[in-house]
Amino acid sequence: DAGITQSPRHKVTETGTPVTLRCHQTENHRYMYWYRQDPGHGLRLIHYSYGVKDTDKGEVSDGYSVSRSKTEDFLLTLESATSSQTSVYFCAISEGGAGGPGETQYFGPGTRLLVL
Amino acid sequence: SQQGEEDPQALSIQEGENATMNCSYKTSINNLQWYRQNSGRGLVHLILIRSNEREKHSGRLRVTLDTSKKSSSLLITASRAADTASYFCATDGGSNYKLTFGKGTLLTVNP
Repeated sequence: DAGITQSPRHKVTETGTPVTLRCHQTENHRYMYWYRQDPGHGLRLIHYSYGVKDTDKGEVSDGYSVSRSKTEDFLLTLESATSSQTSVYFCAISEGGAGGPGETQYFGPGTRLLVL
Repeated sequence: SQQGEEDPQALSIQEGENATMNCSYKTSINNLQWYRQNSGRGLVHLILIRSNEREKHSGRLRVTLDTSKKSSSLLITASRAADTASYFCATDGGSNYKLTFGKGTLLTVNP
């Protein structure tokens, strides 16, 4: 999985509790992404980062925050988890850059989150 | 909203047959990519085709792109049981770093 790890791989939590998912890369890629994958919706972008401390919202950012204090780590936080946030979360990285291989994204193994 | 939409949603074929999946998108792009996802795993990049290219090959994969129709197709020739997976197209919408994924085509190759 191209030097990308996600932790935890599985988590069960209760509604209203905070949850933090971690993505760690060893590729020194500039861009990092958090997606969620749900049946019938495919992959949807939550937040992404284009450098240390530089982040922006994606398509489904409500209820999520992110932080990137180091190139290799990108954290996704659910401030107060809800049942609608039960999903599989994927982290991805890319080198970025105009056209061609720089835009290819490499995905982590995913985190299965169940909010009861 | 989803930029890319794959068709069909599901496809079942016999080993050795060819599989064709289609993707339609809505806005201009720099390039279009195809990814594969095996059950329970992360997505894996298969092939990238640029907006000025019409066809590209990689092993048993053939991708076509028609920017006038805003559509692409992925052909897998001589399919194998190991090709069983979900296939997603992804478009950049003119961005250099952000992709939008379709909902995927689930391909089942029966031995």
